[in-house]
Amino acid sequence: AQTVTQSQPEMSVQEAETVTLSCTYDTSESDYYLFWYKQPPSRQMILVIRQEAYKQQNATENRFSVNFQKAAKSFSLKISDSQLGDAAMYFCAYSGVNNDMRFGAGTRLTVKP
Amino acid sequence: AAGVIQSPRHLIKEKRETATLKCYPIPRHDTVYWYQQGPGQDPQFLISFYEKMQSDKGSIPDRFSAQQFSDYHSELNMSSLELGDSALYFCASSLNPSGLARVQFFGPGTRLTVL
Repeated sequence: AQTVTQSQPEMSVQEAETVTLSCTYDTSESDYYLFWYKQPPSRQMILVIRQEAYKQQNATENRFSVNFQKAAKSFSLKISDSQLGDAAMYFCAYSGVNNDMRFGAGTRLTVKP
Repeated sequence: AAGVIQSPRHLIKEKRETATLKCYPIPRHDTVYWYQQGPGQDPQFLISFYEKMQSDKGSIPDRFSAQQFSDYHSELNMSSLELGDSALYFCASSLNPSGLARVQFFGPGTRLTVL
């Protein structure tokens, strides 16, 4: 079974600084997708960024980028120029052949003004 | 742009009662997923449907059932409710799950409280 591990329950960053959230996963599948979702206090699940496993190029979305290391099964999220609105719970997620999403335990990000 | 709609947004039930949660996917999306998120936990996959057929099953209790209708909306039926069923229930939708269509768009969730 696929598992997703987020080893940082909480992280803190100063406004305008950069922070990296870690995620590792375990799978025997060759074709899969990885995602980062943001869950603010409203509890809405918001897609931040996605990465197709067959693509070597790391995905980027404005201030958000990933470091995808397929061999190491690592998928970290880098948030640059952190803003107060970035404060939320961040979930790393895996979607494989069955298409259902497996989530990590989440990392709570605090942004300090 | 239209998003996933879930109703009701909040629901309070007594133990042993039944509850029905509804999900209306994004227009043209044919795949629906249900997730349960307990307090302080990550979302857990329950069940999914593609073209009105069950496509995958996760940790859904036998007391729960779900279906997808001809208009692609889905309903999650929960019977003999227990205190432990109190959670946020998400519905997500996607296109035929292939390629970039694997992105799942989540609804706002239904918060179920069992007293």
